[in-house]
Amino acid sequence: SQKIEQNSEALNIQEGKTATLTCNYTNYSPAYLQWYRQDPGRGPVFLLLIRENEKEKRKERLKVTFDTTLKQSLFHITASQPADSATYLCARGMDSSYKLIFGSGTRLLVRP
Amino acid sequence: DAGVIQSPRHEVTEMGQEVTLRCKPISGHDYLFWYRQTMMRGLELLIYFNNNVPIDDSGMPEDRFSAKMPNASFSTLKIQPSEPRDSAVYFCASSGTGAFYEQYFGPGTRLTVT
Repeated sequence: SQKIEQNSEALNIQEGKTATLTCNYTNYSPAYLQWYRQDPGRGPVFLLLIRENEKEKRKERLKVTFDTTLKQSLFHITASQPADSATYLCARGMDSSYKLIFGSGTRLLVRP
Repeated sequence: DAGVIQSPRHEVTEMGQEVTLRCKPISGHDYLFWYRQTMMRGLELLIYFNNNVPIDDSGMPEDRFSAKMPNASFSTLKIQPSEPRDSAVYFCASSGTGAFYEQYFGPGTRLTVT
């Protein structure tokens, strides 16, 4: 089965540092990967999408990479701020459909 | 745009009762998704629709769950009869062909079955 694995342990970093979150997938490469942010009591919010043929995608302080050799995506937040504290979810797209399989999420805590 | 609207936001019911969750997708979006989120299992896709037609319901746990989309602006997820293990947060999300797969989630319905 197609799985997405994220580090279940919380990531605790100092404000201003770069946060790096990891997402690993099994079996064949997904057509695309997505990253979402989820705050307590709220629904996930879409952040970035990266396609299989893309190595890197950027949006403001966010950067996502896609390594098909390692079967891994890395999500970076540069110059992190306490407001970045949230749970970040990785999701793989199934073929070219709209169906997503989500990882369990990694909680990020940015200390002031 | 108001975003995806879900109701109720909280639902507490007794085991055996029927529960109906409601969703209004973003206007113009032609995909609608129902998810369930628990601590143990994370965020799971239950079913999704395209142009009001169910495309994939392989995530629906069992026959007690059913979902309908009678028109482009409304969908329901029904659980009958409900069981304590159905307690979770249920999210509705929508997406449009032009949005290239990004999904917009509603605030969720927190269901507690006692």
